[in-house]
Amino acid sequence: QVQLVESGGGVVQPGRSLRLSCAASGFTFSTYGMHWVRQAPGKGLEWVAVISYDGSNKYYADSVKGRFTVSRDNSKNTLYLQMDSLRAEDTALYYCAKRTAALNVFDIWGQGTMVTVSS
Amino acid sequence: DIVMTQSPDSLAVSLGERATINCKSSQSVLYSSNHKSYLAWYQQKAGQPPKLLIYWASARESGVPDRFSGSGSGTDFTLTISSLQAEDVAVYYCQQYHSTPYTFGQGTKLEIK
Repeated sequence: QVQLVESGGGVVQPGRSLRLSCAASGFTFSTYGMHWVRQAPGKGLEWVAVISYDGSNKYYADSVKGRFTVSRDNSKNTLYLQMDSLRAEDTALYYCAKRTAALNVFDIWGQGTMVTVSS
Repeated sequence: DIVMTQSPDSLAVSLGERATINCKSSQSVLYSSNHKSYLAWYQQKAGQPPKLLIYWASARESGVPDRFSGSGSGTDFTLTISSLQAEDVAVYYCQQYHSTPYTFGQGTKLEIK
């Protein structure tokens, strides 16, 4: 079945780095754009980044621009989010999400991986 | 950035009754070229990731019960649940996909009265 499984979350000190992964299965990963969306504890959804199917186009929320980098390895069916210079306000559950064939709406979501930035 | 504002923040409705959630965008999410509003609705139940319900403001995602419907165009949108079921208790979010950043509303918590 179609599935996204995130990993790589944890507790990290402010200013440090973390890399999240999202393993995709059950669909042709290399033909879909992919997104990261986060949710701070008890809060709403915040879109973080998108990468096109081939990795040639990437867009970021202003809150993470210059600090986060989205990438993908289509040979491994895996999406990544490199998070540098982490701040307390980056603490959240990070979801990867698949866009539909033609729209930037999210039809498949992972269960999320928690990132806590704390000293 | 397009700001999405939902109302109300929370809502309590009796089983079998209608629930209505509103979403307003700070600028139009309608593309004149195709006359479509780039607006989606999601449902998030406790401890679960969001689930896509509606896109193009009114198109129901496959498998979504027909008691869920979306309406509106331009800047004002509504999600309606025609007859509330117990399993509809959740937080509902609107999202615009007209332009980056793809912003969400703050969410509306729906409970049973």
